[in-house]
Amino acid sequence: GNSVTQMEGPVTLSEEAFLTINCTYTATGYPSLFWYVQYPGEGLQLLLKATKADDKGSNKGFEATYRKETTSFHLEKGSVQVSDSAVYFCALTPGGGYNKLIFGAGTRLAVHP
Amino acid sequence: GAGVSQSPRYKVAKRGRDVALRCDSISGHVTLYWYRQTLGQGSEVLTYSQSDAQRDKSGRPSGRFSAERPERSVSTLKIQRTEQGDSAVYLCASSYTPSGTNTKEAFFGQGTRLTVV
Repeated sequence: GNSVTQMEGPVTLSEEAFLTINCTYTATGYPSLFWYVQYPGEGLQLLLKATKADDKGSNKGFEATYRKETTSFHLEKGSVQVSDSAVYFCALTPGGGYNKLIFGAGTRLAVHP
Repeated sequence: GAGVSQSPRYKVAKRGRDVALRCDSISGHVTLYWYRQTLGQGSEVLTYSQSDAQRDKSGRPSGRFSAERPERSVSTLKIQRTEQGDSAVYLCASSYTPSGTNTKEAFFGQGTRLTVV
């Protein structure tokens, strides 16, 4: 089946610290991978995506590389800011024309000054 | 509108009552999803529909949950005989495939927080 597993939170960091949020997946076929972010009081927004192995998605200083050999798509940022505090969701769409977006449980990030 | 809009933002319902949640999606987006989001358990797909010029197909995941799509960019999630376990955030999303790709991108509403008392 298709599933996404991400590290449990909350993750608490000081401003300018390095961030990693782990995400691994199980999928039949060749999935596309996504990170979504949900800021307080807002809906989910697409943060970045990668559609094939070894692709790197990047946006707003965040990066994630599609690693087929380890079935991973870890989210990283070199220097977090207080404004990055949010819940981050790893997700996939399975290949083969199947449209459903499958999410992990979400990881809450809290960044303190 | 510019994005996906859901109403109401908050809903309190007495156990056993029926509720209806509305989603106004983005014009031109074919596929529309309803998700249930609970803290620590991620998001569960409840239903999806694909509307084309000929007909609409709405998923019916269980007897109490149903989705209707009276217009191409409007969907209503109906929950019958609500239970306390239905308390969650209900998210609506619509998706499209950017030209030149085969990946669907989803756009989400802010969600409706349902509390069943």
